[in-house]
Amino acid sequence: DAKTTQPPSMDCAEGRAANLPCNHSTISGNEYVYWYRQIHSQGPQYIIHGLKNNETNEMASLIITEDRKSSTLILPHATLRDTAVYYCIVRVVGGNEKLTFGTGTRLTIIP
Amino acid sequence: EAGVAQSPRYKIIEKRQSVAFWCNPISGHATLYWYQQILGQGPKLLIQFQNNGVVDDSQLPKDRFSAERLKGVDSTLKIQPAKLEDSAVYLCASSLDSRIEAFFGQGTRLTVV
Repeated sequence: DAKTTQPPSMDCAEGRAANLPCNHSTISGNEYVYWYRQIHSQGPQYIIHGLKNNETNEMASLIITEDRKSSTLILPHATLRDTAVYYCIVRVVGGNEKLTFGTGTRLTIIP
Repeated sequence: EAGVAQSPRYKIIEKRQSVAFWCNPISGHATLYWYQQILGQGPKLLIQFQNNGVVDDSQLPKDRFSAERLKGVDSTLKIQPAKLEDSAVYLCASSLDSRIEAFFGQGTRLTVV
């Protein structure tokens, strides 16, 4: 019961901005958008999350469309260490909602 | 701050044998998760604890998998008996509570031969 759709793979040149899209057309009003990434042979790492406003932290920016049916994770200056699988997850915050991963986008940063 | 600790990092067993994985979450984290990640797939939630109570174990194959979290801190995940299809990375994660971000350990890579 996938709630999100992501492209299976993307490439980005080192130093450029990496823009990773996610579609979540059935998102509910009380569901947040979370992003995690998983570098090879490591556990997933939290990046950022948001409800409806755009969010920015030291790792990335999250842009959510006004209708909340899609979002974009932006890595402003991609480095080789950003090569990873990126997961977009929608999740209710509150209660004991599961953290459910899809198949994600494999982002490769090209030197 | 120490992260989520898991052991062992690697394990190879024969089918029908038993195996156990251990997880020590970040201190003070009430929520603990166990995930199974088969090669090429995203992590699949097996069980979620809130303190020492089970919140969700709907995807845990209860005929062979079991998990416990004694005293609401450390947790063990056991497989008995193992099958070839259990070969995967088993990830443990914890969070302060289920409403905020989870922190993952490096996982245990299990190979069943």
